[in-house]
Amino acid sequence: ELKVEQNPLFLSMQEGKNYTIYCNYSTTSDRLYWYRQDPGKSLESLFVLLSNGAVKQEGRLMASLDTKARLSTLHITAAVHDLSATYFCAPRTNAGKSTFGDGTTLTVKP
Amino acid sequence: SQTIHQWPATLVQPVGSPLSLECTVEGTSNPNLYWYRQAAGRGLQLLFYSVGIGQISSEVPQNLSASRPQDRQFILSSKKLLLSDSGFYLCAWMGLMNTEAFFGQGTRLTVV
Repeated sequence: ELKVEQNPLFLSMQEGKNYTIYCNYSTTSDRLYWYRQDPGKSLESLFVLLSNGAVKQEGRLMASLDTKARLSTLHITAAVHDLSATYFCAPRTNAGKSTFGDGTTLTVKP
Repeated sequence: SQTIHQWPATLVQPVGSPLSLECTVEGTSNPNLYWYRQAAGRGLQLLFYSVGIGQISSEVPQNLSASRPQDRQFILSSKKLLLSDSGFYLCAWMGLMNTEAFFGQGTRLTVV
């Protein structure tokens, strides 16, 4: 059974600072997704990482994948208030199903 | 472009009442369809997924069932709701290339 651990679960940042969210998973996965969820809302896809060493960037967010270490990171550069949300990683098993972490709730303060 | 519709947005139901949540997808054919539930402050738990009409896989034993009567329609049901069925229910679809999942707006179910 695939287990996913995100840390930290809660993150409070000052605007302009950098930080990294970590996603560890327990078994082999062929791809990994990152999603964003605003309070009371549904999930929005951010990144799909398809192979070892994959790196994707969108604005102030950059995601990477190390399949050998079973680790993905989501790096935040120069945080702004609009990035406040809950971020989920979801590695996919070879059976085609994704397992979600419990999410990292990010609060960016001025 | 592809869109996914899920309704209702909120629902308050008494214990023991039936449930039917509907999800439809437009702009794509033969999608993989998923029902997830999210408890407060937690991640998503996969409840059911379907790779085609009439094909349903259940992930966890529970008080719920799912059906896929048409290619782009996915229904989540219960005959008798329990308090523990409360949560945020999300429908999602994924295309043949399985690149990413697109989620509906969700249904917040409160069983009282």
